[in-house]
Amino acid sequence: SQTIHQWPATLVQPVGSPLSLECTVEGTSNPNLYWYRQAAGRGLQLLFYSVGIGQISSEVPQNLSASRPQDRQFILSSKKLLLSDSGFYLCACYTGKYEKLFFGSGTQLSVL
Amino acid sequence: GENVEQHPSTLSVQEGDSAVIKCTYSDSASNYFPWYKQELGKGPQLIIDIRSNVGEKKDQRIAVTLNKTAKHFSLHITETQPEDSAVYFCAASKGNTPLVFGKGTRLSVIA
Repeated sequence: SQTIHQWPATLVQPVGSPLSLECTVEGTSNPNLYWYRQAAGRGLQLLFYSVGIGQISSEVPQNLSASRPQDRQFILSSKKLLLSDSGFYLCACYTGKYEKLFFGSGTQLSVL
Repeated sequence: GENVEQHPSTLSVQEGDSAVIKCTYSDSASNYFPWYKQELGKGPQLIIDIRSNVGEKKDQRIAVTLNKTAKHFSLHITETQPEDSAVYFCAASKGNTPLVFGKGTRLSVIA
């Protein structure tokens, strides 16, 4: 079965600092990969998704960017964090093998 | 694009009672409807899903029903237990497009 690795689990960053969150997937190939953000007590907002290496679709304009340097690696970045970037960031993976979307364990980001 | 409405936003039930969460969707072409359970501080976990060629699906105490004509689907949890307490999300999609999620329902099972 596939496994989604996401780290770190928690992160506290000052406003204006850079960000890099990494997600890697094991046990599958050619997955669709997604970054979601969840504000405290709120729903799931799709930020980016990728259907292949170097292919990124952005759902909302924001202070963040995403990259997919390898088939099973998805990175979420920011050059300068804002207070509004705080939230719970989730990586997710969809494969044709299972035809289902699975989530990683998430990163709780606090921007202070 | 697709829009998914979910209600209620909060639900409290006594242990052993049933819980029902309902969702409606707007795009009649949507054909896949999963439900996720999210516990505090964790990623959502897929608990059951249904495709548009099926009207009902059951897995032990959990069942999902789909009414394509009315464009709504529901999650039914029977004999609720305290460990069922969590936030539940419905979602919808068509083909290979990203899932569109409802805003979630916070279920509390009171012992």
